[in-house]
Amino acid sequence: GENVEQHPSTLSVQEGDSAVIKCTYSDSASNYFPWYKQELGKGPQLIIDIRSNVGEKKDQRIAVTLNKTAKHFSLHITETQPEDSAVYFCAARDSSNTGKLIFGQGTTLQVKP
Amino acid sequence: EAGVTQFPSHSVIEKGQTVTLRCDPISGHDNLYWYRRVMGKEIKFLLHFVKESKQDESGMPNNRFLAERTGGTYSTLKVQPAELEDSGVYFCASSQGQGNEQFFGPGTRLTVL
Repeated sequence: GENVEQHPSTLSVQEGDSAVIKCTYSDSASNYFPWYKQELGKGPQLIIDIRSNVGEKKDQRIAVTLNKTAKHFSLHITETQPEDSAVYFCAARDSSNTGKLIFGQGTTLQVKP
Repeated sequence: EAGVTQFPSHSVIEKGQTVTLRCDPISGHDNLYWYRRVMGKEIKFLLHFVKESKQDESGMPNNRFLAERTGGTYSTLKVQPAELEDSGVYFCASSQGQGNEQFFGPGTRLTVL
């Protein structure tokens, strides 16, 4: 089955700097990769996603890149702000087509003002 | 439009007791998923309903866990009897179709003493 690895587990940046979180997956048949942001006391919220027919997707300060050959994808946050501080999860949709998501271990991002 | 709701938000029980968690998905969402995050690790899939039918229960840890979705609306997840290792945050998510975005609830934090 699918396995997703996420790094780093914690990331601390200065406000205004960029943050990059990387994930690898094992199942080459996976075709959908969402990123979720979880703030304290809340559930994970989708912030951006990418499908396997696209190499890059951008939405304002966040972008995701996908390298299907290497089976890795990354989240890029530019001009970080204190409100970006949260736990970020990458995921891959399992190729069994039931829709279940396989998550990475999570990255705790701290943006220092 | 109301999001996914879960009840209770927190539950503290003793080993051997029974606990029932409830999830109300977004109205009209046929797909309902249960996930669990244990001790800061990855969010792990438990099971998936399509309407009232269990589509995939491959992630259920053992037969102490019972999930139901009578009538295809809200779902319950019962743990009986609870063990220490069942502690964690239980998330529910719903989506319109299996290929659509999954919306997560705020989670239920279960502590087994």
